[in-house]
Amino acid sequence: DSGVTQTPKHLITATGQRVTLRCSPRSGDLSVYWYQQSLDQGLQFLIQYYNGEERAKGNILERFSAQQFPDLHSELNLSSLELGDSALYFCASNKGGATNYEQYFGPGTRLTVT
Amino acid sequence: TQLLEQSPQFLSIQEGENLTVYCNSSSVFSSLQWYRQEPGEGPVLLVTVVTGGEVKKLKRLTFQFGDARKDSSLHITAAQPGDTGLYLCAGAPSNSGYALNFGKGTSLLVTP
Repeated sequence: DSGVTQTPKHLITATGQRVTLRCSPRSGDLSVYWYQQSLDQGLQFLIQYYNGEERAKGNILERFSAQQFPDLHSELNLSSLELGDSALYFCASNKGGATNYEQYFGPGTRLTVT
Repeated sequence: TQLLEQSPQFLSIQEGENLTVYCNSSSVFSSLQWYRQEPGEGPVLLVTVVTGGEVKKLKRLTFQFGDARKDSSLHITAAQPGDTGLYLCAGAPSNSGYALNFGKGTSLLVTP
């Protein structure tokens, strides 16, 4: 158990809908990262937050957005869903310092868009 | 384009055999991490290598970071069925921040 929690575990929804994925980082971690994992693309970095502020952006679509709240939990919002958005979404956390490379992953949310 | 290339993509071996998987890039990394992932679960961190030429051992697993900090290898001695999983290397290129780039992984199957 990494100490990172994600809810829900599974999500099934229809095209065009909007969903919210939730992540709670390990105790003491300030930085949260979101990743998307699909069979053909592997693990792709989406976005990073550090202590409530966006720090880095990766291959995140404009239909996707995220935020980190004062209690440090984070939410990833996916809207206007398409079939191709079906994937595993992972959240990871670490302390976020200059030499803090290691990230600890949650169990993921499996999103199925039908 | 994939920043980190892993090979082989798939590996099926019998219990007791040795194996090596590779992680290569044309970029220099501040550090590289190796993770293992089981189906439907999140990646689990195995090790971080930071210094060029560094070798780290974790029981039967030996990790090496290339001298130029562009590549890494993972060697498993006397593989066991419990080693089955997807092995991922990941790193943040120097001067690019802390977001990790992942290789596509090596899927290892160890049969009894």
